[in-house]
Amino acid sequence: GEDVEQSLFLSVREGDSSVINCTYTDSSSTYLYWYKQEPGAGLQLLTYIFSNMDMKQDQRLTVLLNKKDKHLSLRIADTQTGDSAIYFCAESQVVDSSYKLIFGSGTRLLVRP
Amino acid sequence: SAVISQKPSRDICQRGTSLTIQCQVDSQVTMMFWYRQQPGQSLTLIATANQGSEATYESGFVIDKFPISRPNLTFSTLTVSNMSPEDSSIYLCSVERGVRNTEAFFGQGTRLTVV
Repeated sequence: GEDVEQSLFLSVREGDSSVINCTYTDSSSTYLYWYKQEPGAGLQLLTYIFSNMDMKQDQRLTVLLNKKDKHLSLRIADTQTGDSAIYFCAESQVVDSSYKLIFGSGTRLLVRP
Repeated sequence: SAVISQKPSRDICQRGTSLTIQCQVDSQVTMMFWYRQQPGQSLTLIATANQGSEATYESGFVIDKFPISRPNLTFSTLTVSNMSPEDSSIYLCSVERGVRNTEAFFGQGTRLTVV
């Protein structure tokens, strides 16, 4: 199957850490992605991880990948109100030497002051 | 990153009419992708547009409803034909960059409302 699943909603207090979780089904996925969508805007690529990695850190963002369980998470340290947005995870599938992305349903992150 | 411009950014259209959405990229790319995001939903790939050949459509999408043009390596259009309220969505174009085309970047989207 091609399902990518995420929880729909997460609320955290400003300054706390946020953890957004994602499960995917295609074990052959080469790359897994996290995108951010602010209201009325397109998608912003936050980070991605190669499937042979367990972890990737980029400033406040930490991606953890458990390939055995097909579980991906995004941790945002010191969450700010500007982080309030919808976060999509996506897995890649190779189609004709190009990458097709399968998206999750998105997790709406609300950061409370 | 890639700079992707979409026009229009939003539109309200009458049912039965058609709307053509334009996507311009700041440099040449091999493939361009068109996605649909229905209200409160995730993104679904409509089709992949390769310059010089017909677009490849995903299951559930057909050329008669969503004709696509790809006249050169920096530009593509998606037409939403014979619109109905069910076509109300955000339509986004996307391109790939980076090592082995691993990074997909998106335009800001076209918010379409059909009345």
